[in-house]
Parts: sequence; structure tokens; C-alpha cells
Amino acid sequence: GAVVSQHPSRVICKSGTSVKIECRSLDFQATTMFWYRQFPKQSLMLMATSNEGSKATYEQGVEKDKFLINHASLTLSTLTVTSAHPEDSSFYICSAQGQGTSYEQYFGPGTRLTVT
Amino acid sequence: DQQVKQNSPSLSVQEGRISILNCDYTNSMFDYFLWYKKYPAEGPTFLISISSIKDKNEDGRFTVFLNKSAKHLSLHIVPSQPGDSAVYFCAASVLRQFYFGTGTSLTVIP
Repeated sequence: GAVVSQHPSRVICKSGTSVKIECRSLDFQATTMFWYRQFPKQSLMLMATSNEGSKATYEQGVEKDKFLINHASLTLSTLTVTSAHPEDSSFYICSAQGQGTSYEQYFGPGTRLTVT
Repeated sequence: DQQVKQNSPSLSVQEGRISILNCDYTNSMFDYFLWYKKYPAEGPTFLISISSIKDKNEDGRFTVFLNKSAKHLSLHIVPSQPGDSAVYFCAASVLRQFYFGTGTSLTVIP
């Protein structure tokens, strides 16, 4: 099946710093990538949808200036958490959807962000 | 507004028995439904899907049933195995946009 990687898998940063998380589709071209956040015991919360070469579409309540998303190529999307706060600590997961009519999303392994 | 709901946060089943996970949705425009399995600290993995034009899809031990009139989706796992213990999310799609349920934590007791 399709493989999606995320890097780093874990990151600890200090309040006020920025953190970049990479999401790569390894064996297919992802026209659309999604970024999710998972809180403990809660569902996956969709943060934004990004299509290659265009600006991301953010869900209501997600600060676009805080969570910068770039989808510069068909295999790479990045999420940058700017001026991180402890409340940004969470598990961030990306997924990728290929071209064509397939509905399946392929998820990355997730990134655990801890802001101290 | 939660368009996809999984009303049971947890479920325990004996090994070898059937596990039934349920999912309800509100949007009649959803045209594709999926189930994902998730282990702690990992990304979800795709399990099985069903198009809205079907009412059943089977893959090995996993069967998904769709009742469009009731806007209800269920995943049957039989026989259940300890390795099936995980959180299961249902998802529904329209126009390639996805909506996830809140998940059901399945524990299969050996």
C-alpha cells in the first residue's frame, strides 16, 4: 500500500519557538494532503486541507498564522507551528490522497509535539 | 456539529467472538465510508471501505454494513483476536472531504 512518512516522530520545544513537521508521500503523488490533530481520547480533528501549489484551506477555529502549511510539491507538505505554547502540545497526523478517484487517505505515523 | 458519531467510546469482546462497532451519520450526501484502525502513538491505518451504492463489503474477518435509510454504518470483526485491540474510527466522505467519528476503543480479551 501507499506509504506516508512524517518527521520528526517526536519533538520537544520551548514556548515561543517554532517547530516544523514534514509529511512525505513516499511512493505516490499526493495531490491533496490533510493535517489532523488528535487530543487524548478524542477524534482526529481536521486542521487544514492543502492542495499542491495552492494555499491551504483551514478549518474553522484553526489559526492560519499559527499553523503554517506549505504543500510545495506532490510529495511533501509541511506544518509549522509558530510561537508554540504548551497548549499546542498534541499528536499531529498528516494524511495524503492520491490523484484519481480513490477515496482512501493514507496516514503518516504522527508526530508527538511537547511544548515546555 | 458532529456529522459522524460513534456513540460507544469503548467495547470489550472475548477472543473468538464477534465485535460489532457502530457509526451513525447525519449527512445524506456522504458517498463513501471508511473504517480506520489506530494504535496509540501511531497514525490510523485503513481497514475497509464501502461505497454508498452498496450495503455490504467483506474483506476476510472484516465486514462493513451500510444502512442508508437509517444513516448507520457498522463494522463486524469475526472472529475477534487480541491483536484487533485498538481504536477504530469510522469516516465518511463527500466531495473528497472527510469527516471522522470520535472512535471506539476495542479490547479483545484473550
